[in-house]
Amino acid sequence: EPEVTQTPSHQVTQMGQEVILRCVPISNHLYFYWYRQILGQKVEFLVSFYNNEISEKSEIFDDQFSVERPDGSNFTLKIRSTKLEDSAMYFCASSEAWQDGYTFGSGTRLTVV
Amino acid sequence: GQQVMQIPQYQHVQEGEDFTTYCNSSTTLSNIQWYKQRPGGHPVFLIQLVKSGEVKKQKRLTFQFGEAKKNSSLHITATQTTDVGTYFCAGLRAQKLVFGQGTRLTINP
Repeated sequence: EPEVTQTPSHQVTQMGQEVILRCVPISNHLYFYWYRQILGQKVEFLVSFYNNEISEKSEIFDDQFSVERPDGSNFTLKIRSTKLEDSAMYFCASSEAWQDGYTFGSGTRLTVV
Repeated sequence: GQQVMQIPQYQHVQEGEDFTTYCNSSTTLSNIQWYKQRPGGHPVFLIQLVKSGEVKKQKRLTFQFGEAKKNSSLHITATQTTDVGTYFCAGLRAQKLVFGQGTRLTINP
């Protein structure tokens, strides 16, 4: 069964530092997404990405956040200057078509100290 | 913005009892999707419903989509301990899938 791979599984960073979370979506999928989940809470949409462009983004996805597909396989989320409240589990997901179900990765737990 | 509300937030049942979670959207949806997240895990896609009034079954799970495409439900018949987890509905509008708050199901064996 194809998987979405995320690295690292856990990242601890100091407040104000930049972090890059990495994802390898399923190879034939065209749509990519980032979500985050604060412990025990809902899964919050951050951004969707298609054809090398952001398609939709949420209010959470401000100027501190950016996404990139630097090569044919990776999809990254960068947080420029982390805040304590950025601590959460970040999930990458992909889908073959925009209306299809998403395949989620196992997540990166980001802890900002 | 688009809101997807889900109730109840928690449900504890005895093994063998039925379980239902309900989902309501503030706007009409292109489709509704259901996911299951085991404790410590990631959301796993279960099913999507596209047509008004659609009903789909997966073994003991029955999913319904409302006539107005604004509400949905998931019903599990005769729960088993493997059903433990949080069940999320998620409404799709444009290229944005918005999750409900989830219903955490715990089961007493």
